[in-house]
Amino acid sequence: QITLKESGPTLVKPTQTLTLTCTFSGFSLSTSGVGVGWIRQPPGKALEWLALIYWDDDKRYSPSLKSRLTITKDTSKNQVVLTMTNMDPVDTATYYCAHSYYYDHAFDIWGQGTMVTVSS
Amino acid sequence: EIVLTQSPGTLSLSPGERATLSCRASQSVSSSYLAWYQQKPGQAPRLLIYGASSRATGIPDRFSGSGSGTDFTLTISRLEPEDFAVYYCQQYGSSHMYTFGQGTKLEIK
Repeated sequence: QITLKESGPTLVKPTQTLTLTCTFSGFSLSTSGVGVGWIRQPPGKALEWLALIYWDDDKRYSPSLKSRLTITKDTSKNQVVLTMTNMDPVDTATYYCAHSYYYDHAFDIWGQGTMVTVSS
Repeated sequence: EIVLTQSPGTLSLSPGERATLSCRASQSVSSSYLAWYQQKPGQAPRLLIYGASSRATGIPDRFSGSGSGTDFTLTISRLEPEDFAVYYCQQYGSSHMYTFGQGTKLEIK
């Protein structure tokens, strides 16, 4: 059974850097074809894809946020970490991590999400 | 960047009725990489359809997906009370980027 869980601060100040961790079980990020992505959702708004890392350490970023994002993986800890620099109140959202397969690029299993508020 | 436009924004129907949700892409999308999700309030999205027409594990057969190129459709044949939610389409493109549509809210009439 695949599960994912996001963790990180619930409140960050403007200009700070956000670090979120996705801890997963039921699969290995060293298995060919596997990926873990990050998606966010501002309150009452639509989903927005942020970044994804593949089993071979290939990384993809949303063009609009690429300069602010870094995604990394720690295969031994079954974790994926997303950092976002220069946080702004418009970045207030629920942040989800999700499992994906390279062959269909759909997000088949999602974490519960973690709400991050950006405010001074 | 491929933009996905979903219509209608809100769809008001009654249980037992048929729902047809549209997802239109700004340029051609590979059918292999078009997915649909359901999201209920306070919950994470759930994958319904991948590859434009394949149901995900455990998804009832009243949900079906179709389409190709720039026009894709999610159909719910007979609405159950638990189907009222927000639905998103998502694509993966040649530029190795993912995008979501803005969502369609399916509400009880």
